[in-house]
Amino acid sequence: QKEVEQDPGPLSVPEGAIVSLNCTYSNSAFQYFMWYRQYSRKGPELLMYTYSSGNKEDGRFTAQVDKSSKYISLFIRDSQPSDSATYLCAMKRGGGFKTIFGAGTRLFVKA
Amino acid sequence: DAGITQSPRHKVTETGTPVTLRCHQTENHRYMYWYRQDPGHGLRLIHYSYGVKDTDKGEVSDGYSVSRSKTEDFLLTLESATSSQTSVYFCAISERDGGETQYFGPGTRLLVL
Repeated sequence: QKEVEQDPGPLSVPEGAIVSLNCTYSNSAFQYFMWYRQYSRKGPELLMYTYSSGNKEDGRFTAQVDKSSKYISLFIRDSQPSDSATYLCAMKRGGGFKTIFGAGTRLFVKA
Repeated sequence: DAGITQSPRHKVTETGTPVTLRCHQTENHRYMYWYRQDPGHGLRLIHYSYGVKDTDKGEVSDGYSVSRSKTEDFLLTLESATSSQTSVYFCAISERDGGETQYFGPGTRLLVL
């Protein structure tokens, strides 16, 4: 079993829809939770970063962490065609160098 | 891409040949990482560096070596390339460790025939 599970999609939604992306994990020691966005043939870029549990909002993006369920989510409101990309969840323990990435979910937002 | 370049951007090579990929940063960040990205696996850490001449293995280090003789450069060498090393390789940097942002380079696409 992988430490981090993420549905690869693809997920196709109409412009303006609310998008929900999710990851589950098995290691209860994870404390840092990240979402990266990766456009085709580009390197990943950090979207959201959350420490421990709770919600974090940044514009149209909201990240949620539920440590009791070992479940994290990224919500995108008023989705735009420019949001079409692969979204990677990532997490790590406190200290150390090892960040574990999910396989990524491909999102298509149709105009 | 936050002052990170990778070279070459594309490479085709034959099984058994050595290959060296270069990562160059202009951010003066202490930590540097090499990942490979394959369908269904996400990003997997190959090696990382926490300072000049200070490196350590990641989760998929077999068949790879690294060197860092200057803060700005981190080299990844495939000692004898195999077809299983066909992948997209990303370099990343971070200012400090402990949950902070990693900035990724544009990637190198490597095909081993």
